[in-house]
Amino acid sequence: KQEVTQIPAALSVPEGENLVLNCSFTDSAIYNLQWFRQDPGKGLTSLLLIQSSQREQTSGRLNASLDKSSGRSTLYIAASQPGDSATYLCAAHGGKLIFGQGTELSVKP
Amino acid sequence: NAGVMQNPRHLVRRRGQEARLRCSPVKGHSHVYWYRQLPEEGLKFMVYLQKENIIDESGMPKERFSAEFPKEGPSILRIQQVVRGDSAAYFCASSPETGGTDTQYFGPGTRLTVL
Repeated sequence: KQEVTQIPAALSVPEGENLVLNCSFTDSAIYNLQWFRQDPGKGLTSLLLIQSSQREQTSGRLNASLDKSSGRSTLYIAASQPGDSATYLCAAHGGKLIFGQGTELSVKP
Repeated sequence: NAGVMQNPRHLVRRRGQEARLRCSPVKGHSHVYWYRQLPEEGLKFMVYLQKENIIDESGMPKERFSAEFPKEGPSILRIQQVVRGDSAAYFCASSPETGGTDTQYFGPGTRLTVL
């Protein structure tokens, strides 16, 4: 049974800092791993999707990596901004999405 | 291009009533997924449907909950005889014809409150 864990649960950083969010999963038999952003009371916005055959994906200031053998993915955010404040969710896709509990990020001006 | 549409966005029901949540997938998508986000909990998979077929309902409570995705029209998640514990945000997602390995696109959710 797939389990997804995200560390830390919450993170507060000053504006401009680079940061890393961690995601681990127990079953490496996945099609892909997806990172989402969720603002309070809102839906999910897809940020990056890494196929199981890929090692990383980049979009703007975001870079996500995937290491299937160790069951880990990281989301790297460069030069953080207050507008990045949100909850970040990772989800492992093995036929359905299994979500982690999320990391609540706060970027202080 | 319209994304995934869900309605209503907010729904208030009294205990014992029925709740019907609608999801219109992205045009051309034939795979629909429903997820539930309980207060202070993560998103949990409920059910995966293709047109007229339930593929995986392993996350669906055994009683009171049902889902359909008819040949025509939106997918419906139906909750009968709602209880306070059903209060949650219900999200629908869709993916393209090419199958379940693709990106899932999420709707804005329906927030159900049971009084």
